[in-house]
Amino acid sequence: QQQVKQSPQSLIVQKGGISIINCAYENTAFDYFPWYQQFPGKGPALLIAIRPDVSEKKEGRFTISFNKSAKQFSLHIMDSQPGDSATYFCAAQLTGFQKLVFGTGTRLLVSP
Amino acid sequence: GAVVSQHPSWVICKSGTSVKIECRSLDFQATTMFWYRQFPKQSLMLMATSNEGSKATYEQGVEKDKFLINHASLTLSTLTVTSAHPEDSSFYICSATELSEDFNQPQHFGDGTRLSIL
Repeated sequence: QQQVKQSPQSLIVQKGGISIINCAYENTAFDYFPWYQQFPGKGPALLIAIRPDVSEKKEGRFTISFNKSAKQFSLHIMDSQPGDSATYFCAAQLTGFQKLVFGTGTRLLVSP
Repeated sequence: GAVVSQHPSWVICKSGTSVKIECRSLDFQATTMFWYRQFPKQSLMLMATSNEGSKATYEQGVEKDKFLINHASLTLSTLTVTSAHPEDSSFYICSATELSEDFNQPQHFGDGTRLSIL
């Protein structure tokens, strides 16, 4: 019940295309959902985050869509660029706790 | 803002030695710091939660005598891998959350420490 399932495991998108990564959770006590981007040999960097009272949040080319009833959320990267090639992790945080539960990660490759 | 610095970024040492990794929040005060371990092509595994001035809380299966954590100030936490062995080789990453009334503060991550035990 503490898991966050992430798919796909890997993704190849052409430059200019839309990258979509999906996550699903079981525990309705999760109330904060961040997405992190990680380059090889580096720590994760916060990209964008959403709370369950909002169905969509957009920051530049990155959009989170949140479906509370389905317990799913997704990251959309518009106009994907080769520089977006990285591993992306979704995460969820429990109410009253600061610990994050991470998804398994998606390796994105944007081809030139 | 919200920069977390981790040092060293890479360390190689002999089996049986102890290694200390530092995690500093450079431009904010962090009441809570987290230590993760990441194996190649895998997700982050939380090892422990470190609160300033108190004992760390370890996740199930993490040996507290093996991985010593000290959070002596609002800007510094250290992880010491004691009597390290080759199986301890991994990528260790720390993160920190800012002191705030809002409980859902984002975690800011350091750039990790690549530990290789020979």
